[in-house]
Amino acid sequence: QVQLQQWGAGLLKPSGTLSLTCGVFGGPLSGYYWAWVRQSPGKGLEWLGEINYRGSTNDHPFLKSRVTISVDTSRNQFSLRLTSATAADTAVYYCARVRAGAYDALDVWGQGTMVIVSS
Amino acid sequence: EIVLTQSPGTLSLSPGERATLSCRASQSVTKTYLAWYQQKPGQAPRLLIYEVSSRATGIPDRFSGSGSGTDFTLTISTLEPEDSAVYYCHQYGNSPLTFGGGTKVEIK
Repeated sequence: QVQLQQWGAGLLKPSGTLSLTCGVFGGPLSGYYWAWVRQSPGKGLEWLGEINYRGSTNDHPFLKSRVTISVDTSRNQFSLRLTSATAADTAVYYCARVRAGAYDALDVWGQGTMVIVSS
Repeated sequence: EIVLTQSPGTLSLSPGERATLSCRASQSVTKTYLAWYQQKPGQAPRLLIYEVSSRATGIPDRFSGSGSGTDFTLTISTLEPEDSAVYYCHQYGNSPLTFGGGTKVEIK
């Protein structure tokens, strides 16, 4: 079955850029959308956006100026960049598979990456 | 954006009892685009229910979902010790997709 493995820097300074990647193993990128979600004590679970294998994205309307989601089909992986980080971006970040098409439930999740924004 | 309010905050029940978790939306959820997840400490959320009442692959039939419009319910018919977790509802019919604040289920 499909598994997601994510990696990236866990500590960055304020105003820095958060960068995470999620590898898709045991299945193809094609045919699905792939999402990023974060979880913090203050805001709970927060959907950040999603992308399909063709690079078509659905963005969070309030975060899209800071968030970029990209896909690399040759490596079967997708990535998240979040610019101008502040302490409010401190959270556990998850990648996930969108169950069926765009804007659907999330049926496979990565293990999560704790990201701390601190000077 | 659609705000999802879950209640109660914490539910403390004994094994074998029935758990009823509520999720109320600030406006009507498009079609049946409402899901439920279970999250245990240190783990990622796990999809239990999608489209209000469809169980995800491998989910026991003691978990069931119901509701429409703005009011939704997750029912665990007979609690098992391993059901101790936080449960979240999630609407995916309107962007931005949003999640509820969670209900913690404790097993006595």
